[in-house]
Amino acid sequence: SAVISQKPSRDICQRGTSLTIQCQVDSQVTMMFWYRQQPGQSLTLIATANQGSEATYESGFVIDKFPISRPNLTFSTLTVSNMSPEDSSIYLCSVEGETGAIETQYFGPGTRLLVL
Amino acid sequence: GQQVMQIPQYQHVQEGEDFTTYCNSSTTLSNIQWYKQRPGGHPVFLIQLVKSGEVKKQKRLTFQFGEAKKNSSLHITATQTTDVGTYFCAGYFGNEKLTFGTGTRLTIIP
Repeated sequence: SAVISQKPSRDICQRGTSLTIQCQVDSQVTMMFWYRQQPGQSLTLIATANQGSEATYESGFVIDKFPISRPNLTFSTLTVSNMSPEDSSIYLCSVEGETGAIETQYFGPGTRLLVL
Repeated sequence: GQQVMQIPQYQHVQEGEDFTTYCNSSTTLSNIQWYKQRPGGHPVFLIQLVKSGEVKKQKRLTFQFGEAKKNSSLHITATQTTDVGTYFCAGYFGNEKLTFGTGTRLTIIP
């Protein structure tokens, strides 16, 4: 299993500002993902963070709003740019790993963001 | 697009009662996974089902994958307060992206 840490764990931000969330994994992983979970909702995939190349964004998410870096196989950042109250969510990074012989996803503890 | 729906959205049960959540996909799934998210926590992997009609058990939890590989269920026997949380199914539609279901939030009444 993978151990994942995220910073910050929570933040309260003013609209119009940007916040960068860091995700650190204790081992090298190929696949790393960023999800958003709005209050009481399911998880929505924002993008796949690719090491050495641009992230792959899902429909409805764009690089200008959610720039992602993946400088190596253990670290990634997600920036939420020009924030509005609608960006208030939990942001989770996850990695693909193996539980026995099964590929599963391990999630970080999440970053709880409130935009005022 | 590919969607995974779950019912019910919320379930309140008396401690000791059984609980079931159902997961339905618009298209055939390669496999299905189940995750549990405790209040204030992050999703944690529970199990994966791959074969049509597959049934797996984990203590009081029984997981089933439908014959057509479009639906799945999670049944908890004799719920306990530790079962509180939101249960998500998640499926791969043949690509590498996991699509999460809408989730069922379980509340236990002591």
